[in-house]
Amino acid sequence: EAGVAQSPRYKIIEKRQSVAFWCNPISGHATLYWYQQILGQGPKLLIQFQNNGVVDDSQLPKDRFSAERLKGVDSTLKIQPAKLEDSAVYLCASSKGAVSEQYFGPGTRLTVT
Amino acid sequence: KQEVTQIPAALSVPEGENLVLNCSFTDSAIYNLQWFRQDPGKGLTSLLLIQSSQREQTSGRLNASLDKSSGRSTLYIAASQPGDSATYLCAADTGNQFYFGTGTSLTVIP
Repeated sequence: EAGVAQSPRYKIIEKRQSVAFWCNPISGHATLYWYQQILGQGPKLLIQFQNNGVVDDSQLPKDRFSAERLKGVDSTLKIQPAKLEDSAVYLCASSKGAVSEQYFGPGTRLTVT
Repeated sequence: KQEVTQIPAALSVPEGENLVLNCSFTDSAIYNLQWFRQDPGKGLTSLLLIQSSQREQTSGRLNASLDKSSGRSTLYIAASQPGDSATYLCAADTGNQFYFGTGTSLTVIP
């Protein structure tokens, strides 16, 4: 069974530029999560999807971050414009349901200069 | 709001030792608690998931316990190996959200 796929693995941009990350969850997993992990901290949930609907986006900085999961499968997370403090690893995870075991992708390491 | 704490933040042990990693959470109303391993520059690998109705789960040399009433979970690693060196994270699932601790960085010295 293929795992959670993410791309790109690394991205370096200048502040005020925009960037997009892509995630393809495990086949059949209805729930998809995006997390932000700053160095030395645990992951923080940004947004949770159930199929193509948003379950929780309370910690998503909506003035600059957006995410979509239009067909209920893969998802994109966008940052526009980026700030220095957005430098982090962005992790995507999926699960069969909302309280099921989560499986994580390898993450995208973003550096904003 | 749920807060998850892991102590110690870092731990070094000689190879072969048994060790315990601690995780505490402030709100006992959780659906499950999951332990993960994270290698440098990598994503998270699920190790064990304990449902709220369970007391413990075992996988190989790993044993995780859960005491909801006291807000604590432990991860026991038997006969540690250098390959166990990684950061171990616990996460409490409240049904609405996953709350992660900041992790324990484990180094097993050959």
